[in-house]
Amino acid sequence: DQQVKQNSPSLSVQEGRISILNCDYTNSMFDYFLWYKKYPAEGPTFLISISSIKDKNEDGRFTVFLNKSAKHLSLHIVPSQPGDSAVYFCAATNPRNTPLVFGKGTRLSVIA
Amino acid sequence: EAGVAQSPRYKIIEKRQSVAFWCNPISGHATLYWYQQILGQGPKLLIQFQNNGVVDDSQLPKDRFSAERLKGVDSTLKIQPAKLEDSAVYLCASSPVGYPGETQYFGPGTRLLVL
Repeated sequence: DQQVKQNSPSLSVQEGRISILNCDYTNSMFDYFLWYKKYPAEGPTFLISISSIKDKNEDGRFTVFLNKSAKHLSLHIVPSQPGDSAVYFCAATNPRNTPLVFGKGTRLSVIA
Repeated sequence: EAGVAQSPRYKIIEKRQSVAFWCNPISGHATLYWYQQILGQGPKLLIQFQNNGVVDDSQLPKDRFSAERLKGVDSTLKIQPAKLEDSAVYLCASSPVGYPGETQYFGPGTRLLVL
């Protein structure tokens, strides 16, 4: 049973445009969400996070939006750059009793 | 600051053989994690250590997998005997304290192929 779902395995976007990566979760106890980015042959690196008390968190070109009622979050990258091409993992946790749970990832390709 | 180190980077073994992976976390990080990432999946936590104690090993297949962090610094993960379905990337991560949601710093992983 997948608790964190990334339903788009891949996404292609033109350089300079917006990339939107989506993530859904089923466990209503999750209250902290993170996005990690992974390049080939490297480990994932932390990108941005959001607590359930917020609905938006912004860091430079990266913004994460959280819709608790829909159990949905999204990562916006504006403007997209070729160096953003990587696999993006959505992850969720509940400080009380669950470890970090990752989605399957979405491979983003930014085309110059 | 040096990152999380893992070795070997690649390993090919035959089923029923044994294999061990090594991880050296970022200096001063109390918490160490081992994840298994099967192709096409996200990382799945196998075991979490806080210093040299186990915090969570609920998803570790204990009949064949074992892990230790004896001195609270580096760690080894062992598979004995390996099965075909153990083919995956094994990621080690560390974090300063270990509270849920704390940023975890990942190593490059060990890619295991079981034939």
